[in-house]
Amino acid sequence: EVQLVESGGGLVQPGVSLRLSCAASGFTFSSDWMSWVRQAPGKGLEWVANIKQDASEKYYVDSVKGRFTISRDNAKNSLYLQMNSLRAEDTAVYYCVREWAFWGQGTLVTVSS
Amino acid sequence: QSVLTQPPSASGTPGQRVTISCSGSSSNIGSNTVNWYQQLPGAAPNLLIYTNNQRPSGVPDRFSGSKSGTSASLAISGLQSEDEADYYCAAWDDSLNGYVFGTGTQVTVL
Repeated sequence: EVQLVESGGGLVQPGVSLRLSCAASGFTFSSDWMSWVRQAPGKGLEWVANIKQDASEKYYVDSVKGRFTISRDNAKNSLYLQMNSLRAEDTAVYYCVREWAFWGQGTLVTVSS
Repeated sequence: QSVLTQPPSASGTPGQRVTISCSGSSSNIGSNTVNWYQQLPGAAPNLLIYTNNQRPSGVPDRFSGSKSGTSASLAISGLQSEDEADYYCAAWDDSLNGYVFGTGTQVTVL
């Protein structure tokens, strides 16, 4: 059974950093593109970043470029999102997504003073 | 700001057919395939249609997708109460080098 389990969310103040993790199981993690997608409270879906199987290609939405870094560890079947200089507008549920098809349950990040 | 435009809402009575449009441009829908997602209240999105018109296993054949030029559409035939959800289209955008989602459509079963 395919599983994606996000962790690392929480309540943080503006300007601080947070690292999200996604533990994958039930499929060959190293064979798939992986992505982070977020959803602000009561709003629509927004793609954040994605990463190629060997991490040789990474893409980001403009609003997080220079602040967020996507990475993966294929040996640990894990996806990460390092988020620096967090802003109130980064408040959202962050989903880990496999090949645009399978979504985790999400982890909530709240940026507030 | 979403690049793909959907109507904010759609509704129908049980058994009716509902269609949701998704309007894009040459850099996204016009040159890449379209996926559709269903998001039930309080749940994570679920892939409903991929590659314009393909259904993942387990998705009822009441759901169908199509694409023409820079637009796509999702049809729900034989509407059921459990179809009440938010629906999003999505496609890769070659100009933005990113995956873009539609604005979302809330479907209500009257």
